[in-house]
Amino acid sequence: EAGVAQSPRYKIIEKRQSVAFWCNPISGHATLYWYQQILGQGPKLLIQFQNNGVVDDSQLPKDRFSAERLKGVDSTLKIQPAKLEDSAVYLCASSLTPGLGTDTQYFGPGTRLTVL
Amino acid sequence: DAKTTQPPSMDCAEGRAANLPCNHSTISGNEYVYWYRQIHSQGPQYIIHGLKNNETNEMASLIITEDRKSSTLILPHATLRDTAVYYCIVRVGETSGSRLTFGEGTQLTVNP
Repeated sequence: EAGVAQSPRYKIIEKRQSVAFWCNPISGHATLYWYQQILGQGPKLLIQFQNNGVVDDSQLPKDRFSAERLKGVDSTLKIQPAKLEDSAVYLCASSLTPGLGTDTQYFGPGTRLTVL
Repeated sequence: DAKTTQPPSMDCAEGRAANLPCNHSTISGNEYVYWYRQIHSQGPQYIIHGLKNNETNEMASLIITEDRKSSTLILPHATLRDTAVYYCIVRVGETSGSRLTFGEGTQLTVNP
C-alpha cells in the first residue's frame, strides 16, 4: 500500500516570498491533515479536511496560510508571504472516514521549509 | 484534550525492554491514550492506543493504570531502530476524527 506522498521534500525561500506544498493521501482516506512542526517541538495541527470540506482550521494563521483540497483527494498548503518563523517541517497525514474503524493517522515524510 | 507529561529523554540497552511512562492525570472517561513515535527526519508513526484495558500488538504493549491517570508503553526487545521521539497523546474518541495534540515527547535512545 502506498503511503502519504509529499513534495517537495525541501524548500528554501526568502522572507516575503510565497511557497506551496503538495500532499497526496493514501487512497480511500477521506480525512486529510496538515501539521506544522517547529524544530524541537511536536507537530501542531494547522487544518483538517473531511473530503473537500474544512473540519478544523482554528490554528491556521489565515492571514498568510491557505489550504485547499479540490475533489477531496490531493491537497495544497500555501504560505504567502512567508516569515522567518514559518521555518519548520510541514507534515501531511490522512486517515479513514471517522466512524469507519479506528482513524489511525498515517503521516507523510514532510516538507522542510527554510525561510531566510 | 487532556495534557500529558513525559520525561524528555530516556536511554535503553539494545535487546532490553524499554518502558516509557506517561502521566495524564486529568484524562476524561471518553478519552483514549495514543502513542506515536517519530524517527529522525520521518513523519510520526502510529504505535498503539487504548481506553482502559491493557493492549498489545506486534510493535508494543500499552499498560494503563486502573485509575487511568498514567500509562506505560513497553517495547519488549528494543533495537537500534527504535531510537526515536515517542509521543503520548490523549484524545477524545476512537473514531471521531478529533485532533492529535502532540507534546514534546520522550527521546528514546537505544544503545548498542
